[in-house]
Formats: sequence, structure tokens, C-alpha cells
Amino acid sequence: DAKTTQPPSMDCAEGRAANLPCNHSTISGNEYVYWYRQIHSQGPQYIIHGLKNNETNEMASLIITEDRKSSTLILPHATLRDTAVYYCIVRGYQKVTFGTGTKLQVIP
Amino acid sequence: SQTIHQWPATLVQPVGSPLSLECTVEGTSNPNLYWYRQAAGRGLQLLFYSVGIGQISSEVPQNLSASRPQDRQFILSSKKLLLSDSGFYLCAWSARVRGQEPQHFGDGTRLSIL
Repeated sequence: DAKTTQPPSMDCAEGRAANLPCNHSTISGNEYVYWYRQIHSQGPQYIIHGLKNNETNEMASLIITEDRKSSTLILPHATLRDTAVYYCIVRGYQKVTFGTGTKLQVIP
Repeated sequence: SQTIHQWPATLVQPVGSPLSLECTVEGTSNPNLYWYRQAAGRGLQLLFYSVGIGQISSEVPQNLSASRPQDRQFILSSKKLLLSDSGFYLCAWSARVRGQEPQHFGDGTRLSIL
């Protein structure tokens, strides 16, 4: 599985959009980009995934660059409950390899 | 809808004691099942995965073993726990279909070895 690089922490004002970047320059053609988040003491929660097209669901949007070497997770209107560690993962067949993620702090 | 259950939520065990953690999935058939461990302040490490009853793949050599006695049941075991086995253990499932499906995690078991 390709390695990902994320900033260790970010702050976002409540109600504003949170944009979380991820670099995955060694991604291969059949690997998907996944985003999960983990609130303290809970299991990771699946957010969204994509291959090369931008994706949107009820939780977030995923923007993948044309060369697929980086992506951005967008939470359109961050709330205090979105405070969590966000993991960007490039996934092979079975294994999901988590790095240390980005700790997002939503500020009132 | 599909749900995944892990128990216990918290466990404190002495060094050298046995371990059995259980995970069950409801609302789906023939899932892929996974055991992960998360050490404090670190990412998740895949320990075992299973694509069917009795089929277990181990990702890293260790003091632990896994079994899948039923389609939707996955058990993590040890005969003798070590201090290094402390951590947050997570079970996950994914649908067994062609192409990519997300893995869905349980709420984990926090294991402390004394």
C-alpha cells in the first residue's frame, strides 16, 4: 500500500469548511483513496473513498487531483462533533494501513 | 442495516494469562473480517484477516492467534499474554464483493496487561 502524508494537526472554526490535505505521491493505478476518522476511544468511522473522480456524500466531499498524487477531504460546515483524528489511506486489496492522521480541532 | 459488536470494551489482564476477544457482525453474510491493533498515539496495524470460515491470514508474527468458527464470528486469542500485547484492539468487516468496499470498524477493546 502506498504511503500517505498528512499534517499532524489543524484547527477550524465552527460552521466553516474544514479542508484536510493528504499527499500520496506513490499511489498506483488501482489503489483507492479512503478517509476515516476516529473520535477518542472509538473505532474508526468510514467517511468516503474514491479512485480518480471527485466524490460527495452526506458527510463530506473528496477532491482528488488529476495526477492522483494528492487529495483533500472537505467537511462543508464543521461542527464541534467533527473534532477527531482524520486518516487518509491509500488502500490495496485487503489491508488498510493507517498512519498517524490529522488531529482536527473544531473551535467554537 | 449491518452492525458489528466487540466485547468486552475494556479488559485488564495479568501477564501470562490467556485472552479471548470476540467480534460478531449482523445484517450481512460472507463478510471479510479483520483484527487490528492500535498502540497509543500510533496508527492501526493489521493483525489477521479472514475471507471465510476457518480461513485466517496473519500479517505479522506475534503472540496472538485468530479463529473464525462461524461466518459472522471472529475471535482473537492468546495462550499467554505479554506486556507488549497491551493496546486497543479493533475488529472490522467489509462486504465480500468484487472491487473496493470500505471496512467498517467496531468500537474496540482496550486491553491493559499488568
